[in-house]
Amino acid sequence: EVQLVESGGGLVQPGGSLRLSCAASGFTFSDHYMDWVRQAPGKGLEWVGRSRNKVNSYTTEYAASVKGRFTISRDDSKNSLYLQMNSLKTEDTAVYYCARHSAYYDILTGYYRGHYFDYWGQGTLVTVSS
Amino acid sequence: QSVLTQPPSLSAAPGQKVTISCSGSSSNIGSDYVSWYQQLPGTAPKLLIYDNNKRPSGIPDRFSGSKSGTSATLGITGLQTGDEADYYCGTWDNSLSAHVVFGGGTKLTVL
Repeated sequence: EVQLVESGGGLVQPGGSLRLSCAASGFTFSDHYMDWVRQAPGKGLEWVGRSRNKVNSYTTEYAASVKGRFTISRDDSKNSLYLQMNSLKTEDTAVYYCARHSAYYDILTGYYRGHYFDYWGQGTLVTVSS
Repeated sequence: QSVLTQPPSLSAAPGQKVTISCSGSSSNIGSDYVSWYQQLPGTAPKLLIYDNNKRPSGIPDRFSGSKSGTSATLGITGLQTGDEADYYCGTWDNSLSAHVVFGGGTKLTVL
């Protein structure tokens, strides 16, 4: 059974830092892209960033709203994904979910297609407030 | 402002059918597959539909998806009170900053 369990959320002051963790089990973690998605209170889903897998050199991408402040990393030996959040702002207050990213490689176009998140963690709440 | 547009809310009676629309553009829905997620109150999102119309194992066939051009639709038949939730569409956007984008969500009320 696939499981994703986030931890590390809490209350932090504006300008502060926090590190979230996501422990994965039930699948070959190293094979998969992994993403962070957040949801502000009463709002919709917002993609935060992605870690590609080893085959794709563990490269990362970020939403414009967090680029330069957030860093995604992973440790395949521990089946874990991390989100280091620095220079936090009140607008970063949200539940943060880690999600397994699935897509397929289209040989004809050379691009990945059919992107979706097939498993989600239960989320961890980050509150940025003074 | 979400990249994909969904109606904020819908309501229907138990047993009825409802459709939820998701409108995008040529850089997102028009060029990739669409997925749908169900978020029950106080829980994490759950994948309902992927690749426009495929259901993961365990999702009943009361849920269906379709896509035409730059729009997609989620259909739910035989509505149950347990279907009361927020529903989100998602797809890849290959504009300048390529990433997954979501609709703003539709709150479905089963009266």
